[in-house]
Amino acid sequence: QVQLVESGGGLVKPGGSLRLSCAASGFTFSDYYMSWIRQAPGKGLEWVSYISSSGSTIYYADSVKGRFTISRDNAKNSLYLQMNSLRAEDTAVYYCASEPPSGYYYDYWGQGTLVTVSS
Amino acid sequence: QSALTQPASVSGSPGQSITISCTGTSSDVGGYNYVSWYQQHPGKAPKLMIYEVSNRPSGVSNRFSGSKSGNTASLTISGLQAEDEADYYCSSYTSSSTWVFGGGTKLTVL
Repeated sequence: QVQLVESGGGLVKPGGSLRLSCAASGFTFSDYYMSWIRQAPGKGLEWVSYISSSGSTIYYADSVKGRFTISRDNAKNSLYLQMNSLRAEDTAVYYCASEPPSGYYYDYWGQGTLVTVSS
Repeated sequence: QSALTQPASVSGSPGQSITISCTGTSSDVGGYNYVSWYQQHPGKAPKLMIYEVSNRPSGVSNRFSGSKSGNTASLTISGLQAEDEADYYCSSYTSSSTWVFGGGTKLTVL
């Protein structure tokens, strides 16, 4: 069955960095587009970043542009999010989600990893 | 990238039908048939319920249906059940090649 497992979250000071990972299994990872989506405590969902199946096309939300970098390694069935210059407002549960080649929607989600930015 | 507009809360009794609206602009909801809906129970990851405005993934009850008119999409749940109590989010692709979510709607089954 399809599994997306995020890791790498934790407590970091403002201005610090963190790298999130998402391990995929149960589907042909290299065929799927992938995104990171976050949810601040008690708040709604916010799309963060997208990467195409080959990694050639990447988009970011304005709120993270210039600070976050999305990447993937299809040989390792893994998705990454490098987060730099972290701010308190980046505190959230970060989900990785898969997007099928034919659609603009998220068919599978990981369980999420919590990132807390605080001094 | 303004969030799509959803009512903060809706409620209904078991067996009734409810509708959750999701209002955007011609640059997102109105411009594409790429609206999707997600259900999220407390402490859980979101789950896809409707994609491309009105399509149901395999395994999702046919009590869930979606539609769109102009810049507003809607999710209707018929025959309300206790297990439907959750937060619901709409999402749309946008003309900026980004994605936007609604603020979320808390469904209470009375």
